[in-house]
Order: sequence, then C-alpha cells, then structure tokens
Amino acid sequence: QSVLTQPPSASGTPGQRVTITCSGSTSNIGRNPVNWYQQLPGTAPKLLIDSSNQRPSGVPDRFSSSKSGTSASLTISGLQSEDEGDYYCAAWDDSLSGPLFGGGTKLSAL
Amino acid sequence: EVQLLESGGDLVQRGGAVRLSCVASGLTFSDFAMSWLRQAPGKGLEWVSAITGSGGTTFYADSVKGRFTISRDNSKNTVYLHMNSLRVDDTAIYFCAKGFGEFPYWGQGTLVTVSS
Repeated sequence: QSVLTQPPSASGTPGQRVTITCSGSTSNIGRNPVNWYQQLPGTAPKLLIDSSNQRPSGVPDRFSSSKSGTSASLTISGLQSEDEGDYYCAAWDDSLSGPLFGGGTKLSAL
Repeated sequence: EVQLLESGGDLVQRGGAVRLSCVASGLTFSDFAMSWLRQAPGKGLEWVSAITGSGGTTFYADSVKGRFTISRDNSKNTVYLHMNSLRVDDTAIYFCAKGFGEFPYWGQGTLVTVSS
C-alpha cells in the first residue's frame, strides 16, 4: 500500500504554531491539489482544507496549508487543546487513479 | 445538512461475505459520486471504492478489486458495498463519503471484523 509520508506524531503547547508535513511524489502532490482531514478521537474524519486550498465553512482560520513541489504542509497557528487528534493529508494519485492518503499524524497539545 | 448513515457491519469468518449500506440525506443524491473508505484498527485511512452519480462507472483500490462491488440505488438514496472473499486484513471501520477524490462529508462508519 503506497501512502503519502507524514510524521507519526507532532506536539506543541497551547498557543504555539505547529506544522505537519506531507511528502509525496510527482504522481500525486506534484500534480494535484492536497486535502487535509482532521479526525478527533472516536469520530469520523472531517475535511479541513479543500482542493482549492480553502477552509470549508466552520473550520477555524488558525488552520492553513501550503504546497511546494512534491510536499505539502498543514500549519496550526495558535494550537488549542481541542485540536488534539489525527491529521491526514490526501491527494489524487495519477498512477493509482484514485485518492491516496498519508499515514496520519497524531497531534498532541502538551 | 448532508447526513450519511452506514449500516451492515458485522463479525464474519474469513472467506465470508457482507453487504454494507449507506443512506444519504440532505443532497441531490444522484448528482454526486460516492465512495467507501476504511480504517483498520489503529491505522490510517484507505480509499476502497467509488461510484459515479449515475452508477454507470465504478472504481476500486487494487487491494479489493475482484472481491468488492460497489453499487447504488438512487431511488433509495443508498450506496452499497458488497464484500466477498473477506480476509482478516479487511477488518476495519468502513466509512461512506460524498465524492471521489475530495470527501467533504463522511458517515460515522460501520465496523467489519473478519475472524480467522
């Protein structure tokens, strides 16, 4: 199973800026938009950043994303305790002809 | 408000079969592709299958191709996942989601456990 590469964990203190990275290849991130999903404990994933690099309605503006080449990143500016959970990047993969997910990053607010 | 409600998850033996259902509300169902994704216990997300709004075209991950079949009944606002020849590594929470590629709405998931 091919996946996009994310660090398994990330952490920060409340109020701190935290960045989660996502590394892919020319067949996915290099050519296609990146989505980010948030999965809080015991819940279904939630779209955090859409394919236009925008936040869906209701997503706080402390979440932002960027992309460069075959890598992408999600930044949380001003970490809050309620942000603790798992974060997944995803992108369409031209080789697989389907969406590909990262392995997920567990975010902790210390 | 878009709502997706999955059902049909079960404990089945290796080699067995199960059918999952997902009923959608709050959207013009036939206008949208629908997907199934899964999450093995303690693991990440994996896209499994998708179907176009008309139901005319289907897509599968290599890991399930030939074993799983996606279908939909637009008169019932329902998408199905027929799972055959189940393996232990098919054990997962199965989510249905609106879309194919980007998933703005997800159901709460239904658990399929395959025992050896």
